[in-house]
Amino acid sequence: AQTVTQSQPEMSVQEAETVTLSCTYDTSESDYYLFWYKQPPSRQMILVIRQEAYKQQNATENRFSVNFQKAAKSFSLKISDSQLGDAAMYFCAYRRRQGGSEKLVFGKGTKLTVNP
Amino acid sequence: DSGVTQTPKHLITATGQRVTLRCSPRSGDLSVYWYQQSLDQGLQFLIHYYNGEERAKGNILERFSAQQFPDLHSELNLSSLELGDSALYFCASSDGTGEIAFGYTFGSGTRLTVV
Repeated sequence: AQTVTQSQPEMSVQEAETVTLSCTYDTSESDYYLFWYKQPPSRQMILVIRQEAYKQQNATENRFSVNFQKAAKSFSLKISDSQLGDAAMYFCAYRRRQGGSEKLVFGKGTKLTVNP
Repeated sequence: DSGVTQTPKHLITATGQRVTLRCSPRSGDLSVYWYQQSLDQGLQFLIHYYNGEERAKGNILERFSAQQFPDLHSELNLSSLELGDSALYFCASSDGTGEIAFGYTFGSGTRLTVV
């Protein structure tokens, strides 16, 4: 079964510091996509970063980067120079394709607190 | 504004009632997905429509149904509501090609409270 595991229910970081959120997944597919979504108190699900499994280069979006280890099925998110606005729930997700459909399978989330 | 519009934002209703949640996908997107977010189950996939056709069902109860109309908006119908149906319901859209040109775009959700 395809599953996504986020082992850290909560994390905290000091403003301007760096934090890494962990995610592991299980899949039998060889080509897939992975995502990190941010959900602030407004509840909006905001795409932070995505990674295509066939690309060995780790994705980067400004202060956000991933460490994608395909063999280990690990997909961690690094937030550099943390800002107060980064405080939110972060969800790791895997895109599962099945027949003519696809869906996102989400982890349980990590609540990130940013301390001033 | 993500481009995906969900209405209403909040809904409070009594047990046994029926409600309809509406979603308008981002312009050009053919696929609509519904997700339920609850404290105990997390984010769960409910159903996927592509250009009016149902493509996949997830953990969707028989009391729930959905459809996608010719103008591509979608509605999620929840009937015989129970307290446990209280959750945040998200709609997401994508271009449906599977190539993830822009990823999946989520609406702001509908908060359903069943009392």
